[in-house]
Amino acid sequence: RKEVEQDPGPFNVPEGATVAFNCTYSNSASQSFFWYRQDCRKEPKLLMSVYSSGNEDGRFTAQLNRASQYISLLIRDSKLSDSATYLCVVMGQAGTALIFGKGTTLSVSS
Amino acid sequence: GAVVSQHPSWVICKSGTSVKIECRSLDFQATTMFWYRQFPKQSLMLMATSNEGSKATYEQGVEKDKFLINHASLTLSTLTVTSAHPEDSSFYICSANSGGTYNEQFFGPGTRLTVL
Repeated sequence: RKEVEQDPGPFNVPEGATVAFNCTYSNSASQSFFWYRQDCRKEPKLLMSVYSSGNEDGRFTAQLNRASQYISLLIRDSKLSDSATYLCVVMGQAGTALIFGKGTTLSVSS
Repeated sequence: GAVVSQHPSWVICKSGTSVKIECRSLDFQATTMFWYRQFPKQSLMLMATSNEGSKATYEQGVEKDKFLINHASLTLSTLTVTSAHPEDSSFYICSANSGGTYNEQFFGPGTRLTVL
């Protein structure tokens, strides 16, 4: 089983749509969780950290379920500029390397 | 967020040459930096963990004699790809832990290496 698994993509949605990405992780000792965004041929950029209580940042909402080892990202009112690959990322102990999922590609069209 | 720079952003070299890539944390100190590699349409894969003042820790399958890592200061780590071959062509990205509350890591812009 892969350490971090994500929904297979691509997701093709129209502008204004709501889209949800799911992710599961295998190491129950993981401590930190993130969603990163990666544009084509660019480095990943932190989109948001994922907290146990769930958190929201504008149109983006992240949820964490430690019991199920499941992480989600909800994007509301999709914009063309949201088109990118979204990476589910997990960290073990503080300061250790990140473990990346393969990413899910989102394409928002007008 | 914290800023990490990488240099060069791209390099083309002949087979057999060595290439050095620099990773700098510009506004914070990083005792640990990480080097990743990403092949087309694949996820980032950790190559090694670079520790300031000590030897790097390499992931299984990554040759330490081929990918030399030096972390001489709290703001600089270098990765040298020795005797590069076409199969080493990839996107190399470094990251550093900012030490924030949730241990966010910030990435350099990456170096695209093409070996002819």
